[in-house]
Amino acid sequence: GQNIDQPTEMTATEGAIVQINCTYQTSGFNGLFWYQQHAGEAPTFLSYNVLDGLEEKGRFSSFLSRSKGYSYLLLKELQMKDSASYLCAVTDSNYQLIWGAGTKLIIKP
Amino acid sequence: ETGVTQTPRHLVMGMTNKKSLKCEQHLGHNAMYWYKQSAKKPLELMFVYNFKEQTENNSVPSRFSPECPNSSHLFLHLHTLQPEDSALYLCASSQEVGAQETQYFGPGTRLLVL
Repeated sequence: GQNIDQPTEMTATEGAIVQINCTYQTSGFNGLFWYQQHAGEAPTFLSYNVLDGLEEKGRFSSFLSRSKGYSYLLLKELQMKDSASYLCAVTDSNYQLIWGAGTKLIIKP
Repeated sequence: ETGVTQTPRHLVMGMTNKKSLKCEQHLGHNAMYWYKQSAKKPLELMFVYNFKEQTENNSVPSRFSPECPNSSHLFLHLHTLQPEDSALYLCASSQEVGAQETQYFGPGTRLLVL
């Protein structure tokens, strides 16, 4: 079966750095997405990785290792507004998005 | 500000009711999606429409019936639902169906079935 694993919940301190991991087992791989979802709101696109390596976009970076079936989202200089759920999703060989259950990130002052 | 709108935002219905969820996208996209989001579970893809044609139906019960009259509008018709159908129903759109296509989501309809 297809499976995306990510931690259920993480806590971090304002101003610090946090890394949210995602491991996947899917039938084929055509890219990995990270989305952010604030409580009661729509998921919004953060990043897309299809090649191995690190993609940096401001305070957020996303890393991919296809051989290990592994990705992480790195958030730097955490702000209170970063409190949200972070969703990892993989596009499989049929171009369907397979979603993880999301990681709820709690930022404390 | 999202280019995908959904109505209603909240819906409470009995198991014998019939209701419809509406989604509209203002992004000029050709693909639209319905997802179900339950607490602490992954997003479940329900239906996919590409250029108004249904391309995916992921074993969704027949009490959920989609309709896509044009590339900008998507409906989900609901009838004789069960309490376990209570969830957040999200609509999304993308330029087309493909590997690199970013999906843009609406705010969702929070559905409670009594």
